[in-house]
Amino acid sequence: ELKVEQNPLFLSMQEGKNYTIYCNYSTTSDRLYWYRQDPGKSLESLFVLLSNGAVKQEGRLMASLDTKARLSTLHITAAVHDLSATYFCAGYSGGSNYKLTFGKGTLLTVNP
Amino acid sequence: DSGVTQTPKHLITATGQRVTLRCSPRSGDLSVYWYQQSLDQGLQFLIQYYNGEERAKGNILERFSAQQFPDLHSELNLSSLELGDSALYFCASSVTEKNYGYTFGSGTRLTVV
Repeated sequence: ELKVEQNPLFLSMQEGKNYTIYCNYSTTSDRLYWYRQDPGKSLESLFVLLSNGAVKQEGRLMASLDTKARLSTLHITAAVHDLSATYFCAGYSGGSNYKLTFGKGTLLTVNP
Repeated sequence: DSGVTQTPKHLITATGQRVTLRCSPRSGDLSVYWYQQSLDQGLQFLIQYYNGEERAKGNILERFSAQQFPDLHSELNLSSLELGDSALYFCASSVTEKNYGYTFGSGTRLTVV
């Protein structure tokens, strides 16, 4: 069964700094997703990575996928306070079970 | 507004009671997924329906059940509620089973007292 691990689970950073959140998964995953959740709110889809080497960027966030290493990263460039949220990665193992398996999430706090 | 509608937004009930959570998927989406989010367990997949049929089951307790109706809305029934059932319950929908990503609803926060 697919297992997804994120690290770090907590990340406190200063505005203007760069950092990376890592997402490792245990078995083959056809695709990898990144979601953002603000406190008490729903999950907002950020990126869907469909193949090895895929890279997607939106504003200060860039996500990549290495299926051979079973690793996805979410890189934050020049962080701003508005990026403070919890970020989840999720894997999808395909087959007849179409559920997503989520990591525990990374709580990102960007301090002025 | 994501297009996935969940009601009610908040629910407070006593132990032993039964509640029903409702989800209307985004227009055109045939698949509905239910997830439970708690501090200790994170996001746990409960169950998936596709066009009215149960398609996948996750860590769903026997006290919980769900169904998807012909109009594609779904209900999650939670019975004999325990304190530990307090959580955020999310519904998500997607267009097809190929699942290029879910759209989540805003969730129902259940508090069992």
